[in-house]
Amino acid sequence: KAGVTQTPRYLIKTRGQQVTLSCSPISGHRSVSWYQQTPGQGLQFLFEYFSETQRNKGNFPGRFSGRQFSNSRSEMNVSTLELGDSALYLCASSSYTDYGYTFGSGTRLTVV
Amino acid sequence: SQELEQSPQSLIVQEGKNLTINCTSSKTLYGLYWYKQKYGEGLIFLMMLQKGGEEKSHEKITAKLDEKKQQSSLHITASQPSHAGIYLCGAGSRGTASKLTFGTGTRLQVTL
Repeated sequence: KAGVTQTPRYLIKTRGQQVTLSCSPISGHRSVSWYQQTPGQGLQFLFEYFSETQRNKGNFPGRFSGRQFSNSRSEMNVSTLELGDSALYLCASSSYTDYGYTFGSGTRLTVV
Repeated sequence: SQELEQSPQSLIVQEGKNLTINCTSSKTLYGLYWYKQKYGEGLIFLMMLQKGGEEKSHEKITAKLDEKKQQSSLHITASQPSHAGIYLCGAGSRGTASKLTFGTGTRLQVTL
């Protein structure tokens, strides 16, 4: 059974650019959550999607957005990148929102 | 908002020794999740505790939830180099895992 797949694994972008990260959940999982991990702030919740609907959102500016497709694959987008957006972005999926989540290996974004 | 404090922040133990990591919440715990992370990689789900007094074990790792104390502990027996990594506790809002608040993590090193 394939795990949660995140692409790309590494990304370098310039300030002001935008970026799209992709997450393919485990087959059959309908809930996808996104987290940002930085040395200073630790792991912080970005948003959660279930059946193409955003159910929860963390305290991040509007530059951070996401969506989920009918096949449960999810993307997150960050517009007008800032240096502080450099982080490991983790995606996690679950079959139900009250079960444990399986995390992907993450996308490491570096903004220069 | 809920905050999770983990102690100790880092730990160096000799192979074969036992160790305990604590996770204390600022609010009532409805569910507590333990994850392990290798540096720069995704999180590996270890255990989920949902009821006060609940105790779960997997191989040499045991986790307990003390709801009254708003605390959970993770105990590793006879540590091995494979146990090295960062241990993170996460608490869901109202018992769900869809929007986890994570602790700051405990970095474990196991020496030979």
